[in-house]
Amino acid sequence: GAGVSQSPRYKVAKRGQDVALRCDPISGHVSLFWYQQALGQGPEFLTYFQNEAQLDKSGLPSDRFFAERPEGSVSTLKIQRTQQEDSAVYLCASSLGGWDQPQHFGDGTRLSIL
Amino acid sequence: AQSVAQPEDQVNVAEGNPLTVKCTYSVSGNPYLFWYVQYPNRGLQFLLKYITGDNLVKGSYGFEAEFNKSQTSFHLKKPSALVSDSALYFCAVRILYNTDKLIFGTGTRLQVFP
Repeated sequence: GAGVSQSPRYKVAKRGQDVALRCDPISGHVSLFWYQQALGQGPEFLTYFQNEAQLDKSGLPSDRFFAERPEGSVSTLKIQRTQQEDSAVYLCASSLGGWDQPQHFGDGTRLSIL
Repeated sequence: AQSVAQPEDQVNVAEGNPLTVKCTYSVSGNPYLFWYVQYPNRGLQFLLKYITGDNLVKGSYGFEAEFNKSQTSFHLKKPSALVSDSALYFCAVRILYNTDKLIFGTGTRLQVFP
């Protein structure tokens, strides 16, 4: 398909483990975004890339969260030493980057920390 | 502070009747406003946007939204609701100053009854 692809769709980890979540944006999309959606809430911004440059990481909750996009395409969100409060759906979005372009979302990764 | 409010947690409407899902915003500068829909276990799907121009914006699946600057509102509307419209709807404002991110409302669950 031509949409944003995220993997895995579901991830269960024990508290203290490290996890890595992958996002494949729509081909040609310059901008890439990560959001965290807690149960029953709207998505909350985590971080934003333009090509390989991480231009805003102000939404990352702690230094346990790290995101990268080394070649300006695929992105990985890594969470170290997971805590129960990290349980949420992590959504990735991409856009063409123009000021009038909408963000297109993937189906998300549901992360459960036991 | 930039914010979006969706005052109704749930909206119930009979199939064939018009529907309105309310959204108000608070931003400095010109607002860039979006509506997204979320089906169970799926990501957010773009419906429509207001960037500039006509106050009535038409989007996907027969939805439209009316931008009202004096009331700082951007209500989502549809003339005739379908049972398949039942989903979670999010209003969002795009922030472009020193970043590129969406700030979402808390969402409104639309229930269309046959």
